[in-house]
Amino acid sequence: KNQVEQSPQSLIILEGKNCTLQCNYTVSPFSNLRWYKQDTGRGPVSLTIMTFSENTKSNGRYTATLDADTKQSSLHITASQLSDSASYICVVIHPKTSYDKVIFGPGTSLSVIP
Amino acid sequence: DTAVSQTPKYLVTQMGNDKSIKCEQNLGHDTMYWYKQDSKKFLKIMFSYNNKELIINETVPNRFSPKSPDKAHLNLHINSLELGDSAVYFCASSPSGLAGYEQYFGPGTRLTVT
Repeated sequence: KNQVEQSPQSLIILEGKNCTLQCNYTVSPFSNLRWYKQDTGRGPVSLTIMTFSENTKSNGRYTATLDADTKQSSLHITASQLSDSASYICVVIHPKTSYDKVIFGPGTSLSVIP
Repeated sequence: DTAVSQTPKYLVTQMGNDKSIKCEQNLGHDTMYWYKQDSKKFLKIMFSYNNKELIINETVPNRFSPKSPDKAHLNLHINSLELGDSAVYFCASSPSGLAGYEQYFGPGTRLTVT
């Protein structure tokens, strides 16, 4: 069954600290894996998009890694800021004959405290 | 200069009513989507339209009927509303199908059915 799991479910860190969020998936095949940030009351915003052949992609203080062999991805946040408090969602795109199937993870809720 | 806009932002209605949510994008994208985010914050794709043509319909009850009058608009009409329809509905758009293209989400419409 094509699934996306994320850990931890929630995380609290001090401002300025680093953290890593995990995504494990069983989706096969997949065309790309994405990380989104969703602030409370807002729509998700794309952070990174990686194809199956890419190992790492950065967007400012956000760095995503992908291991297609073990079907794992991580999102590393460096020098966290209060504005990083949000839900981080891992999404895997599963190509089908006529369209791409979008499979969302449950998200990790991150709280950055002063 | 809003990229993807939705109206209304909040919608409170009674069971059995029929309601519509509107979405517009000014990005010139070909593909638009409707997503549902339930109380557990799980995002799930409902529909996708590419150039006014339906390409994804993810086992959504036929009480939900999307309509795309042109490629910049994708509206969602819901008949005979039920309590379980209460959720946040997000519209999104992308230049083309999902593979490799970033999606841009609207701010969401919070639907509450009483």
